[in-house]
Amino acid sequence: NAGVTQTPKFQVLKTGQSMTLQCAQDMNHEYMSWYRQDPGMGLRLIHYSVGAGITDQGEVPNGYNVSRSTTEDFPLRLLSAAPSQTSVYFCASASTGGFGELFFGEGSRLTVL
Amino acid sequence: DQQVKQNSPSLSVQEGRISILNCDYTNSMFDYFLWYKKYPAEGPTFLISISSIKDKNEDGRFTVFLNKSAKHLSLHIVPSQPGDSAVYFCAASPISSGSARQLTFGSGTQLTVLP
Repeated sequence: NAGVTQTPKFQVLKTGQSMTLQCAQDMNHEYMSWYRQDPGMGLRLIHYSVGAGITDQGEVPNGYNVSRSTTEDFPLRLLSAAPSQTSVYFCASASTGGFGELFFGEGSRLTVL
Repeated sequence: DQQVKQNSPSLSVQEGRISILNCDYTNSMFDYFLWYKKYPAEGPTFLISISSIKDKNEDGRFTVFLNKSAKHLSLHIVPSQPGDSAVYFCAASPISSGSARQLTFGSGTQLTVLP
């Protein structure tokens, strides 16, 4: 069972470069989200989606874009990377019947120089 | 301004003893609380949850207690095992506002269970 798959697992960028973190789930979950984890700050919600074509902002959305064209995929785009975006990024999904029992991917570690 | 706080970054306990991890919250809109466990290089995994209509929920060796008046919850692990060594995140959600899956996480507590 693949669950939630994130790629790449590691990435190094230079300031100003763009990139996309990929997230795919095979559980037919309507809800998908992106979090970032920073030392001493836990996980913070970036963007989320309650279904294909529907996205909304979380706590820390600035500098990130998302789209949801299919139920399975929820990519996170950094248009112009900044050192403050150095972090570990987690994608998560949940069924519509759940109450926050998110299924997380293994994470993508991004370093912006 | 952290709405969910885990004030102990780390905790060490002996194998077989009880581990108690604490969490405080400030937002009165939170009415559903969860604990997640995270091993290195893996994503967090759901452990146990509790609704604000309860004050206790058990699942095997894991029990979560909720004190609404104090805005405090705790996770008890009895008996602790070396495999429980991980980072534990407390999370909260305002499910009654329709935001059941928009979790606010604490900063985590690294639990180390010593053999």
